[in-house]
Amino acid sequence: EAGVAQSPRYKIIEKRQSVAFWCNPISGHATLYWYQQILGQGPKLLIQFQNNGVVDDSQLPKDRFSAERLKGVDSTLKIQPAKLEDSAVYLCASSLGYLNANTGELFFGEGSRLTVL
Amino acid sequence: QQQVKQSPQSLIVQKGGISIINCAYENTAFDYFPWYQQFPGKGPALLIAIRPDVSEKKEGRFTISFNKSAKQFSLHIMDSQPGDSATYFCASGSMFSGGYNKLIFGAGTRLAVHP
Repeated sequence: EAGVAQSPRYKIIEKRQSVAFWCNPISGHATLYWYQQILGQGPKLLIQFQNNGVVDDSQLPKDRFSAERLKGVDSTLKIQPAKLEDSAVYLCASSLGYLNANTGELFFGEGSRLTVL
Repeated sequence: QQQVKQSPQSLIVQKGGISIINCAYENTAFDYFPWYQQFPGKGPALLIAIRPDVSEKKEGRFTISFNKSAKQFSLHIMDSQPGDSATYFCASGSMFSGGYNKLIFGAGTRLAVHP
């Protein structure tokens, strides 16, 4: 079974530039998450989708971050304009998300490492 | 946001020893408590998880102990091996009737097992 795919793996940009990350979850997983992991910290939830609807985006800095999940499959996370403090690894995860079939396990991709100079 | 406090930040254990990592949560509505393991350059992967209806769960060398009244849980790694060297995250969350779950992660514990 293919895992969660993310791209690009690494990105270096200047502050105030824009960047986009792509995620392809495990086939059949209804729930998709974007987490931000700053060096030395635990993952922090940015946004969570159930199919193509947003479940939680309370910690997404909406003035600069946006995310979408068209057709309930792939997702993109965009940052515009980027700030120095956005330097982090952006992790995408997916889970089954169906009633009576959800073990609770999140499957993470390897992440996209962003460096903002 | 509700916090999940994890300790220690780092831990050094000799091969064959016991590694113990602790976690405390705030929200009594949480009903799912997993531990994730992360190797450098990789995403976290589920190691073991527990629900609040049991006080202990064991899978191989890994055991979760859960204390509902204290709102604390811990990970014990028995017979620690150099291959266990990784960062460990506790998490707490809720399972919703819609089938999805929401997780809050601790800050992580960097474990080094010396041969």
